[in-house]
Amino acid sequence: KQEVTQIPAALSVPEGENLVLNCSFTDSAIYNLQWFRQDPGKGLTSLLLIQSSQREQTSGRLNASLDKSSGRSTLYIAASQPGDSATYLCAVFDSNAGNMLTFGGGTRLMVKP
Amino acid sequence: GAVVSQHPSRVICKSGTSVKIECRSLDFQATTMFWYRQFPKKSLMLMATSNEGSKATYEQGVEKDKFLINHASLTLSTLTVTSAHPEDSSFYICSAPSGQTRLFFGSGTQLSVL
Repeated sequence: KQEVTQIPAALSVPEGENLVLNCSFTDSAIYNLQWFRQDPGKGLTSLLLIQSSQREQTSGRLNASLDKSSGRSTLYIAASQPGDSATYLCAVFDSNAGNMLTFGGGTRLMVKP
Repeated sequence: GAVVSQHPSRVICKSGTSVKIECRSLDFQATTMFWYRQFPKKSLMLMATSNEGSKATYEQGVEKDKFLINHASLTLSTLTVTSAHPEDSSFYICSAPSGQTRLFFGSGTQLSVL
């Protein structure tokens, strides 16, 4: 059974800092991996999707990498802003589990002005 | 991109009443939809997989009689929380796959049971 772990669970940084969020998964037979953002009381916003054959994806200040063999992904946020404060979730789409995502526990990010 | 509409966004009800939450795929058909529950500061927990035209598949520990799921059409799935109690208060969110690899999420429903 796939297990997804995110470290750290919470992170507080001053504005402007570059930061890295980590995600690890136990079963490397994934179809893709997605990073989501969730604001309090809101639904999920998809940030980046990395296919299993890809190594990284970039969108603006965000860069996500994927190392399938080691079961790891990182989300890099450059020049953080207070508006980046949210919970970031990674989720893997298993090849053998139909159309289902397995979520990590999330990282709560606070960017202080 | 595909859009999933979830309604209502917030509901407050008295203990013992039933609450229905709707999840619609607006511009695509979804034979499968997923219902999640989220407790404060916790990640999403998959509750059940809703299958159009057949019974839903529930995850271990989720009460079928408490959380009734109906997927009567290719664009609509409903979750009914029956005889709601304060411990059912939570954030409920649905999702639907579009294509093989993408999941699109509704905006969620915050349920508060008094």
